[in-house]
Amino acid sequence: RKEVEQDPGPFNVPEGATVAFNCTYSNSASQSFFWYRQDCRKEPKLLMSVYSSGNEDGRFTAQLNRASQYISLLIRDSKLSDSATYLCVVSLNNNDMRFGAGTRLTVKP
Amino acid sequence: DGGITQSPKYLFRKEGQNVTLSCEQNLNHDAMYWYRQDPGQGLRLIYYSQIVNDFQKGDIAEGYSVSREKKESFPLTVTSAQKNPTAFYLCASSIERTFYGYTFGSGTRLTVV
Repeated sequence: RKEVEQDPGPFNVPEGATVAFNCTYSNSASQSFFWYRQDCRKEPKLLMSVYSSGNEDGRFTAQLNRASQYISLLIRDSKLSDSATYLCVVSLNNNDMRFGAGTRLTVKP
Repeated sequence: DGGITQSPKYLFRKEGQNVTLSCEQNLNHDAMYWYRQDPGQGLRLIYYSQIVNDFQKGDIAEGYSVSREKKESFPLTVTSAQKNPTAFYLCASSIERTFYGYTFGSGTRLTVV
């Protein structure tokens, strides 16, 4: 079993749609959780951290379920510019970050 | 502007050749990391360093070497012992002992010719 698993997609959605990604992790001792965005042939960029209480940043909402060991990312009112690969990242500590392979999203006009 | 600079952006290596990838940061971050990304796979940790003159092996250190002589710099050498070096290499840094995530450089795409 992979340490961090994501559905690779691709998710193809129309503009304005709501789309959700899930990610599961295997190590119950994991302490920190993040979503990164990676554009084609570019470096990953931090989208948001994920907190136990759930958190929202504009159109993006992240949730953590420790009991079931999964995190989710919800994108509302999708924009063309949201097209990217979304990486789920789980950390035991600052020197042990585990990356999922990513979920690819394409938003179409 | 503060950030991480990786160079070169593209690098071609001949069989049996060692090559060095540069990573420089001016964020005053303590920790620096090297990752490798292959298509369809998550990033895998090669080496990391928490302080100057100290570094630790990651999950896939074989065939690679690093040095950390200055806080700002963490170069990666891909040696001839690395049998499948074609990949996208990413350098990252972070403030030690925080969970704010990493800042990445723009990457170096290495190809064996």
